[in-house]
Amino acid sequence: DSGVTQTPKHLITATGQRVTLRCSPRSGDLSVYWYQQSLDQGLQFLIQYYNGEERAKGNILERFSAQQFPDLHSELNLSSLELGDSALYFCASSITTGSSYNEQFFGPGTRLTVL
Amino acid sequence: LAKTTQPISMDSYEGQEVNITCSHNNIATNDYITWYQQFPSQGPRFIIQGYKTKVTNEVASLFIPADRKSSTLSLPRVSLSDTAVYYCLVGGRSGGGADGLTFGKGTHLIIQP
Repeated sequence: DSGVTQTPKHLITATGQRVTLRCSPRSGDLSVYWYQQSLDQGLQFLIQYYNGEERAKGNILERFSAQQFPDLHSELNLSSLELGDSALYFCASSITTGSSYNEQFFGPGTRLTVL
Repeated sequence: LAKTTQPISMDSYEGQEVNITCSHNNIATNDYITWYQQFPSQGPRFIIQGYKTKVTNEVASLFIPADRKSSTLSLPRVSLSDTAVYYCLVGGRSGGGADGLTFGKGTHLIIQP
């Protein structure tokens, strides 16, 4: 158990809909990262938040957005869903003290299926 | 971000030592080399990280030559439970906190009895 929790575990929805994925980082971790893993694209970094502010952006679509709240939990919002958005979505957290590269701890993931 | 190249798949037998090599010719001065392990339908798990020379922990060793253009993950005496995908990553910033990790396709390691 990494200490990172993600809900829901599974989500099935239809094209055009909007969903919200939730992540709670490990206690004490200030950074939250979102990744998407699909069969054809592998594991791709989407976005990072540090202590409530956006820190880095990866291959995140404009239809997707995220935020990190004062209690440090994060939500990933996916809208206008397409079939190709079906994937495993992972959240990871790290301390990110700024002094050196920090290990990321991954949650169990949310499996999104768009029908 | 430095691109990494590693074998698509490998197989070995229980009790053997397995070495997985990763090439990263464009590694930057501040980049660290990190290896993660992923089992099916689970999130990746940190194995080991290094900057240069050799690093060893309770599960693996990481060998990095002086030019840092490649690295080798060594798993001693593997067991069936070591069957997983292993990712070599290069990146992160020293002093600036961690960025999102760039995962390649990884190496599918299959351990046979």
